[in-house]
Amino acid sequence: AQSVTQLDSHVSVSEGTPVLLRCNYSSSYSPSLFWYVQHPNKGLQLLLKYTSAATLVKGINGFEAEFKKSETSFHLTKPSAHMSDAAEYFCVVSSSGGYNKLIFGAGTRLAVHP
Amino acid sequence: KAGVTQTPRYLIKTRGQQVTLSCSPISGHRSVSWYQQTPGQGLQFLFEYFSETQRNKGNFPGRFSGRQFSNSRSEMNVSTLELGDSALYLCASSPVGDTQYFGPGTRLTVL
Repeated sequence: AQSVTQLDSHVSVSEGTPVLLRCNYSSSYSPSLFWYVQHPNKGLQLLLKYTSAATLVKGINGFEAEFKKSETSFHLTKPSAHMSDAAEYFCVVSSSGGYNKLIFGAGTRLAVHP
Repeated sequence: KAGVTQTPRYLIKTRGQQVTLSCSPISGHRSVSWYQQTPGQGLQFLFEYFSETQRNKGNFPGRFSGRQFSNSRSEMNVSTLELGDSALYLCASSPVGDTQYFGPGTRLTVL
């Protein structure tokens, strides 16, 4: 069975400093992995997706994530945080080889301080 | 292209009532999935429809049901509402075998 563990429930950074949101996954096959962001009272927006084409995936708004099979990790990073990055971030794995049933991590709430 | 739309955006119901939520996918997307988001359980998969057929189902009681129409629009229904059904219900659409795109959600409050 597939599962996702987000290692931090809350992360707090200062504006202009790097962001690291950590995610480990468990999958019995080569997974498809995603990061979604949810701003308050909004739906989910896709940041980026990994589908085995390249281990370093670039997404929107300066975010990127690196797939490391040996560590079963898919951490999300951004070189410099902006106030507008404050939101909840979800690491997601697709289930059973298909894209249409997603399994979500518990989420990491990112706070950005001036 | 217009995004995924969900109606209504907010609903207040009382225990025992039933509710119907609607989702219009992105034009051309034939798959529609539904998710429930609560503070305690997080985001959980409810079901997925493709070409008017339910393809996947999550671990929810039979009070939760859905359907998809020939134009790919989907509805989900919850009967005999319980307090624990209060949640944000999210709909997502996708082209065949691709990423899911989410709507803004319907906030259901059960009193």
